[in-house]
Amino acid sequence: NAGVMQNPRHLVRRRGQEARLRCSPMKGHSHVYWYRQLPEEGLKFMVYLQKENIIDESGMPKERFSAEFPKEGPSILRIQQVVRGDSAAYFCASSPTVGLAGHNEQFFGPGTRLTVL
Amino acid sequence: DAKTTQPTSMDCAEGRAANLPCNHSTISGNEYVYWYRQIHSQGPQYIIHGLKNNETNEMASLIITEDRKSSTLILPHATLRDTAVYYCIVRVARGGATNKLIFGTGTLLAVQP
Repeated sequence: NAGVMQNPRHLVRRRGQEARLRCSPMKGHSHVYWYRQLPEEGLKFMVYLQKENIIDESGMPKERFSAEFPKEGPSILRIQQVVRGDSAAYFCASSPTVGLAGHNEQFFGPGTRLTVL
Repeated sequence: DAKTTQPTSMDCAEGRAANLPCNHSTISGNEYVYWYRQIHSQGPQYIIHGLKNNETNEMASLIITEDRKSSTLILPHATLRDTAVYYCIVRVARGGATNKLIFGTGTLLAVQP
């Protein structure tokens, strides 16, 4: 069973361009989470999605950032008109449907390192 | 979710047990203690979780005090590959409307040869 896959692993964009980050969850997982880690800082939650639905976007910047998890295909984190402050590592995690016991371990991907020039 | 307090960094000799403490004095009755770690430049990795009983798996042991206000993650025989930032996270298991993880600053464990 392949783990969470993210691509690209490294992405370089110039200011004002768009960045698209992809995340393929583990097989059978219907929950996807995006986290951002700025240089020398901790991981910050951005958004939580289930298939075709955004459940919690409380950590998403109000402008330029959007996320989707379509019925078919990977989850996409989209950053429009990137600025230097968007340079960070973006991690995706997935989990299966929460069971009766309530525990849902999140499995993280290797991350996408975005560099904005 | 309850706030956690961890030491900024710790050292451990290779082959010895690493004991990583975490304070969570405001934990609620329905909140679990989760531990994740992040090896440099990699995605976080789940280690273990518990509610009130001590737990053990192939990676580590989790000791939770009787009043649940603190816990200790134990790596029984630390290796160089265990050098990482260890995060203690407290949250309800089902997460309510969201299952997000709130990461603090964690403890940087440096395993020395």
